[in-house]
Amino acid sequence: DTAVSQTPKYLVTQMGNDKSIKCEQNLGHDTMYWYKQDSKKFLKIMFSYNNKELIINETVPNRFSPKSPDKAHLNLHINSLELGDSAVYFCASSHYRGLSGNTIYFGEGSWLTVV
Amino acid sequence: DAKTTQPTSMDCAEGRAANLPCNHSTISGNEYVYWYRQIHSQGPQYIIHGLKNNETNEMASLIITEDRKSSTLILPHATLRDTAVYYCIVSPNAGGTSYGKLTFGQGTILTVHP
Repeated sequence: DTAVSQTPKYLVTQMGNDKSIKCEQNLGHDTMYWYKQDSKKFLKIMFSYNNKELIINETVPNRFSPKSPDKAHLNLHINSLELGDSAVYFCASSHYRGLSGNTIYFGEGSWLTVV
Repeated sequence: DAKTTQPTSMDCAEGRAANLPCNHSTISGNEYVYWYRQIHSQGPQYIIHGLKNNETNEMASLIITEDRKSSTLILPHATLRDTAVYYCIVSPNAGGTSYGKLTFGQGTILTVHP
């Protein structure tokens, strides 16, 4: 069973469109994330939700709106897509373990291409 | 977040140990050292993490120097499937707005050859 699954895996769309990427985790984790990997392969955090509450927002344009209907899901909706939004988007999850550190598990990525 | 320095690339023969170094000279007392890897076209995969003691799991060993300013990830018997980008990351303990925020650098491209 896939621990962190995201759909679609590949998405090609035109500029100006609105699209969503869905993410689900079956690990029972209480925190979920969205990371973005650009063409230079740098991975950067975008958002983090803990128990459905936003705890990290890394100065992402407000065209990007995450939505967490429950602890197991964190969807990413993107309005008015731009060419620069082309990237691989990774969903991830983790469980608060206090002083034991924080292990984050990533999904397989969603390849978004804006044309 | 503390920054890390890793070699851009390394080679290793299949079956031999791969030793990947990482410098993190500005690490703070509450920051952990994490290692992740990313195989081509896949999501990052957790390998191991530690605070100050050496750690070992089924994938690798992590050796952290006593002053915590550097560490080495050891893959004891590298296979071709270990070819990947390896990321050394320091991150604070859970709590506050830094919770779960892994800052990835460029990592080390490890190539395991037959």
